[in-house]
Amino acid sequence: EPEVTQTPSHQVTQMGQEVILRCVPISNHLYFYWYRQILGQKVEFLVSFYNNEISEKSEIFDDQFSVERPDGSNFTLKIRSTKLEDSAMYFCASYSPYTIYFGEGSWLTVV
Amino acid sequence: AQSVTQLDSQVPVFEEAPVELRCNYSSSVSVYLFWYVQYPNQGLQLLLKYLSGSTLVKGINGFEAEFNKSQTSFHLRKPSVHISDTAEYFCAVSDSSSGGSNYKLTFGKGTLLTVNP
Repeated sequence: EPEVTQTPSHQVTQMGQEVILRCVPISNHLYFYWYRQILGQKVEFLVSFYNNEISEKSEIFDDQFSVERPDGSNFTLKIRSTKLEDSAMYFCASYSPYTIYFGEGSWLTVV
Repeated sequence: AQSVTQLDSQVPVFEEAPVELRCNYSSSVSVYLFWYVQYPNQGLQLLLKYLSGSTLVKGINGFEAEFNKSQTSFHLRKPSVHISDTAEYFCAVSDSSSGGSNYKLTFGKGTLLTVNP
């Protein structure tokens, strides 16, 4: 069964450093998302992406965050200058009609 | 705007007992409803979804859920749980009038189901 794959599975970074989280969505999907789950809290929508542009973003997705699809297969989330409160599990997802499929997540720890 | 309330943050049960995990939602528009499961140290896996039609939806691993529009609920049930069902369960809702790029999920806070021997 096709799946969404994410790398790295776990990353530890120092506060202020840039982080790039990578995702390979399911190959024939056209809509992509990033969600975040802070430890012990609910899964939150960050951003949706279609046709090489952001279609919607949440309040969380401020200027420190960016997304891109650099080569037609990867979908990346960049955090420019990480803060302690960015520590969370980040899920990539892609959409097939009426269902969103999630990757296994990238666990980001900012120290 | 939509919201999802999962009334129980933790549900401990014994193996082979029945379980119900409760989910209520609030929305001004018609919705699609989902249950996802997250096993320890894993991602989110779709258990089942309600889009339209029969209000009783069957999913994987013997789970089912019933959509009740008047009570705005979508409770998840399993008649007999196994230890392997121990996981976090998330109820989620999306706006059924949107599609594709605006198709986003609003999640509840999750219910930790712990199945004890």
